[in-house]
Amino acid sequence: AQSVTQLDSHVSVSEGTPVLLRCNYSSSYSPSLFWYVQHPNKGLQLLLKYTSAATLVKGINGFEAEFKKSETSFHLTKPSAHMSDAAEYFCVVSDLRDMRFGAGTRLTVKP
Amino acid sequence: NAGVTQTPKFQVLKTGQSMTLQCAQDMNHEYMSWYRQDPGMGLRLIHYSVGAGITDQGEVPNGYNVSRSTTEDFPLRLLSAAPSQTSVYFCASSDGTSGRGPNPYNEQFFGPGTRLTVL
Repeated sequence: AQSVTQLDSHVSVSEGTPVLLRCNYSSSYSPSLFWYVQHPNKGLQLLLKYTSAATLVKGINGFEAEFKKSETSFHLTKPSAHMSDAAEYFCVVSDLRDMRFGAGTRLTVKP
Repeated sequence: NAGVTQTPKFQVLKTGQSMTLQCAQDMNHEYMSWYRQDPGMGLRLIHYSVGAGITDQGEVPNGYNVSRSTTEDFPLRLLSAAPSQTSVYFCASSDGTSGRGPNPYNEQFFGPGTRLTVL
């Protein structure tokens, strides 16, 4: 069975500073990995995905993530946080059998 | 394209009442699913469908029923509402399937959600 762990339930950063949201996964198969963002009272929107091509994946709004098989990690980063990045972020692992969501990380951006 | 639409946006029920949450997509997606979102638990799969006439249970199916008579529509029925079903419900769809689940390489498109309170 596969699983995904988001290591921080809440991350707080100041505007203009880097963002790091951590995600570890386990999967018996070669997985695809996704990050979704959910703004307050909205549905989820895809930020980026990894599907066995380049290990460094670039997404929307300046976010990127690096797939590290040896560490079973897929951490999400952004060089400079913006107030509009305040939201909840979900890491998702998917393979031919199953798809699992992490519990989510709430990102707060302070002015 | 409207994408994935859900109705209603908000609903309050009394214990024991039944209701149907509606979900529709206009992208001709084969795969559709229902999730519930509870604080600190991420999204948990309730039921899913890999095509019209085919449905299956997810992680938390008890107390819910689904059917898929058309590609576009995937309603979720609460048979006898309980306070434990207070949650936010999301419908999602994606292109293609793996045969028994979503195509693992494809993006899920989510509806705006239904906030349900059961008193």
